[in-house]
Amino acid sequence: ETGVTQSPTHLIKTRGQQVTLRCSSQSGHNTVSWYQQALGQGPQFIFQYYREEENGRGNFPPRFSGLQFPNYSSELNVNALELDDSALYLCASSLGEGGEQYFGPGTRLTVT
Amino acid sequence: AQSVAQPEDQVNVAEGNPLTVKCTYSVSGNPYLFWYVQYPNRGLQFLLKYITGDNLVKGSYGFEAEFNKSQTSFHLKKPSALVSDSALYFCAVRDNTGGSYIPTFGRGTSLIVHP
Repeated sequence: ETGVTQSPTHLIKTRGQQVTLRCSSQSGHNTVSWYQQALGQGPQFIFQYYREEENGRGNFPPRFSGLQFPNYSSELNVNALELDDSALYLCASSLGEGGEQYFGPGTRLTVT
Repeated sequence: AQSVAQPEDQVNVAEGNPLTVKCTYSVSGNPYLFWYVQYPNRGLQFLLKYITGDNLVKGSYGFEAEFNKSQTSFHLKKPSALVSDSALYFCAVRDNTGGSYIPTFGRGTSLIVHP
């Protein structure tokens, strides 16, 4: 059984650019949730994908968007990057929307 | 609306002593409560959860937590701390009423266990 993996590990972007982060869910899991963890803060829920449909969204603007693929892997896209987007982005997979979440190691995004 | 408070930014304890990391919550309906641990440069690892039933929940690595509905608390405890328990601990709550699956995390408490 493979765990949740995320790529890349680290990323540096310039303000105004676009970024795509990737997540492979744990084997057997059909739900992926994305979180933003700013330095010194707890994770904040961005959105959740269940069976390829967005199923719940936190207080994030539309420039944060996502996809879930038939194999349940997922992408987080952020357009028009701002300095405040610098954070650790965590992906978590689960079996069903309310299932126990298993987190990946995260992608550290730095916006300069 | 739901919220979580972890009133201590840092908890210091000597190895072998009991530890407590505090968490209080607020939800409109019935709470699902969780504790996670985060080691440097790692994602969150699940420790334990409370959904219903016995107020004392036992989890991984010898940790346990006590659900107290009247005080709206869910404190994390361990009878004997290890240096390897030093990490960042997060409490999270989810309102189980109305089919919402969005959790709210606290800001985290840094646990430092001294040899």
